[in-house]
Amino acid sequence: ETGVTQSPTHLIKTRGQQVTLRCSSQSGHNTVSWYQQALGQGPQFIFQYYREEENGRGNFPPRFSGLQFPNYSSELNVNALELDDSALYLCASTARNNEQFFGPGTRLTVL
Amino acid sequence: ELKVEQNPLFLSMQEGKNYTIYCNYSTTSDRLYWYRQDPGKSLESLFVLLSNGAVKQEGRLMASLDTKARLSTLHITAAVHDLSATYFCAVDPSGGSNYKLTFGKGTLLTVNP
Repeated sequence: ETGVTQSPTHLIKTRGQQVTLRCSSQSGHNTVSWYQQALGQGPQFIFQYYREEENGRGNFPPRFSGLQFPNYSSELNVNALELDDSALYLCASTARNNEQFFGPGTRLTVL
Repeated sequence: ELKVEQNPLFLSMQEGKNYTIYCNYSTTSDRLYWYRQDPGKSLESLFVLLSNGAVKQEGRLMASLDTKARLSTLHITAAVHDLSATYFCAVDPSGGSNYKLTFGKGTLLTVNP
């Protein structure tokens, strides 16, 4: 139990649609990062938020966007979904001892 | 671009045997993480290695970090079936200030009775 929760657990969308994934981290964890994990691959860094501001971005197009809220929750939004967006999406919050705790993930399927 | 390479990618071993998973990375960093992932599940933090020469042990797993060689190892002692999972190493390319991790492809470990 990491104290990081994500919703929904599973989601099925069609190409061209938009999706919002949610993450809630532990109180006091000011940094939240989002990762995409395709089947059989390691997670890839999408972006990070620190105190509600974007704090770095990986090699993902602008149709991937995010928000972080004062209550330590955050969102990942993906517009114009493509088939290759099918993956497990993980959020991670960073504790003061430098550990990153991952949530259970949201499995997105794009048909 | 930071590259993180793990080997082997697939490892099948018998219970009771020892083995080592290697993680090489291409840029200077003194912060390395090891995670375990069970099928269909999220990542479980195993070790955080914060400096050159760091060694940490938990049960049958021991991790070490050599920042000069840009190498970390995860050693498995007397493997048991419950250790079957995928193991990832991840590097913080900033050296520990921003937690934007680059992961290896993972090592799928199967421990056979």
